[in-house]
Amino acid sequence: GAGVSQSPSNKVTEKGKDVELRCDPISGHTALYWYRQSLGQGLEFLIYFQGNSAPDKSGLPSDRFSAERTGGSVSTLTIQRTQQEDSAVYLCASSTPPGSFPGELFFGEGSRLTVL
Amino acid sequence: AQSVAQPEDQVNVAEGNPLTVKCTYSVSGNPYLFWYVQYPNRGLQFLLKYITGDNLVKGSYGFEAEFNKSQTSFHLKKPSALVSDSALYFCAVRDLSNQAGTALIFGKGTTLSVSS
Repeated sequence: GAGVSQSPSNKVTEKGKDVELRCDPISGHTALYWYRQSLGQGLEFLIYFQGNSAPDKSGLPSDRFSAERTGGSVSTLTIQRTQQEDSAVYLCASSTPPGSFPGELFFGEGSRLTVL
Repeated sequence: AQSVAQPEDQVNVAEGNPLTVKCTYSVSGNPYLFWYVQYPNRGLQFLLKYITGDNLVKGSYGFEAEFNKSQTSFHLKKPSALVSDSALYFCAVRDLSNQAGTALIFGKGTTLSVSS
């Protein structure tokens, strides 16, 4: 597709359930990022994938959060045993490698997660 | 570690007046600076970036930003605000000294409200 695609756009789940959020980046973009946007918290970095390098997981808030990127393309963010504080919009972005230009991130529309 | 500060949660201006949205940053090396805008219920859109060269960079929708190395600032400006500029604005930074690919770190965002 022409842009970054995320699914589902909205997800309502019960506390304690696991959820999976999917991101399909722009074709040819080797870098993929997950961010979380909560009211009043701005954009919180979660995880970053760059090609075949080990991902930068330094932003994951707890071990309930994990992400995979298969074949250097599609990524899945998994949240296990969801808590109410996980409610947020999860944004995915892709870009060309950091050393190349233009290098800006292209964002998807986000997945809004509500944990009841 | 790199960081970004947007000291104002909200900026209010009248249509036709100049606007400034402030941003300061901290990196160990040379910065790679961005501004993004988020309109209500929309994804983030790239506005402009600074890599090197002229300190004044021009971007989309008539916006510009001035890089000031001594003050570690990258304020967003527009000579004449429009009501349609009302949105949430994010400043972001990447440390260019780390080509292994640190993530783009965002500020908490500033809500711009332009009144008619």
